[in-house]
Amino acid sequence: EPEVTQTPSHQVTQMGQEVILRCVPISNHLYFYWYRQILGQKVEFLVSFYNNEISEKSEIFDDQFSVERPDGSNFTLKIRSTKLEDSAMYFCASSGGREETQYFGPGTRLLVL
Amino acid sequence: AQTVTQSQPEMSVQEAETVTLSCTYDTSESDYYLFWYKQPPSRQMILVIRQEAYKQQNATENRFSVNFQKAAKSFSLKISDSQLGDAAMYFCAYNWPQGGSEKLVFGKGTKLTVNP
Repeated sequence: EPEVTQTPSHQVTQMGQEVILRCVPISNHLYFYWYRQILGQKVEFLVSFYNNEISEKSEIFDDQFSVERPDGSNFTLKIRSTKLEDSAMYFCASSGGREETQYFGPGTRLLVL
Repeated sequence: AQTVTQSQPEMSVQEAETVTLSCTYDTSESDYYLFWYKQPPSRQMILVIRQEAYKQQNATENRFSVNFQKAAKSFSLKISDSQLGDAAMYFCAYNWPQGGSEKLVFGKGTKLTVNP
């Protein structure tokens, strides 16, 4: 069964460093999403992406964040200058259509020191 | 803004018994989607069940079923014949793609413990 994959599974970085989180969505999906979950809290929407552009973003997704689909398979989230409060689990999700179910990857656990 | 409320931070059930997790939501829309996702200790988010608001029939997936009460804006999850592998955080979620936003709005989750 096709699934969303994410790399790395864990990343530790120093405050102020740039990180890139990578996702490979399900191959025939067209809609891509990033969510994050701070430890012990609920899952929060960051951004949605379709047709090579951002379709919606939350207040969390400020100028420090960017997303890209650099080729036909990868979907990346970049945090330009990490802060301590960026420590969280980051989930990528994809769906085949706007009203289709979003399937999540296993997440990347980011720790900013 | 749409909100999702899960009023039970924790629940426990005996193996083989039935448990119901509660979820209420707030929306002024008539056509939307509701979901239950499971998050085991590995922290992966796994879809359990999905309900389209325009469907009166409650969704079922094997041992998992929902009680969707549209007028009451209630969407509870029933797990029958609970198994040890059902132990996880369960998140209720809502979205309204028909209104131009596919973002999922999640509740705070319910931690389910299954006792042997």
